[in-house]
Amino acid sequence: NAGVTQTPKFRILKIGQSMTLQCTQDMNHNYMYWYRQDPGMGLKLIYYSVGAGITDKGEVPNGYNVSRSTTEDFPLRLELAAPSQTSVYFCASSTHSGTNTGELFFGEGSRLTVL
Amino acid sequence: DAKTTQPTSMDCAEGRAANLPCNHSTISGNEYVYWYRQIHSQGPQYIIHGLKNNETNEMASLIITEDRKSSTLILPHATLRDTAVYYCIVRVVGSGGSQGNLIFGKGTKLSVKP
Repeated sequence: NAGVTQTPKFRILKIGQSMTLQCTQDMNHNYMYWYRQDPGMGLKLIYYSVGAGITDKGEVPNGYNVSRSTTEDFPLRLELAAPSQTSVYFCASSTHSGTNTGELFFGEGSRLTVL
Repeated sequence: DAKTTQPTSMDCAEGRAANLPCNHSTISGNEYVYWYRQIHSQGPQYIIHGLKNNETNEMASLIITEDRKSSTLILPHATLRDTAVYYCIVRVVGSGGSQGNLIFGKGTKLSVKP
């Protein structure tokens, strides 16, 4: 049972390059999230999705785009990488239904450096 | 902005109980208290949550004051592997959209020492 899988685990980008962080979950969760975490700080929500075809902005969406074409996948795209996007990115998923706990399951993180 | 206040850091001796406090004085009636922890830059891990009753599971106990303005996470017998950053979060459960999103603060860095 894989849970939430993120790729790549590490990546170095040059300023202005673009890339996609992949996230997939095998728990049939309807909710998925992307967070970023800067050194010594808590996690900040970038984008989230409540189901296939539906996405919405979180706290820090600028410079990122997402799509949700399937329940399982929620890729995060950086179009023009900037040094300020150097961070650790976490994908998470959860299910919200009735009295369900809404517990979030996190991936192991993707460490991105922009030089 | 985070709606909780936690101490920046705490120490605990191995084998002793670790009591981590959290203030959430503006909590709403439909908001639950959640605790997560993050071990050395791994993804955060769910620990426990509660509404107004005290809760216990295999990892920890959660004590919520009667007025719900504060709570304490208790790790009954802390081990070195419990060294982590612990996040106290309040959120609405069962509703869709942004109300259910987790807002992480800086948390409490717990150091368990031999």
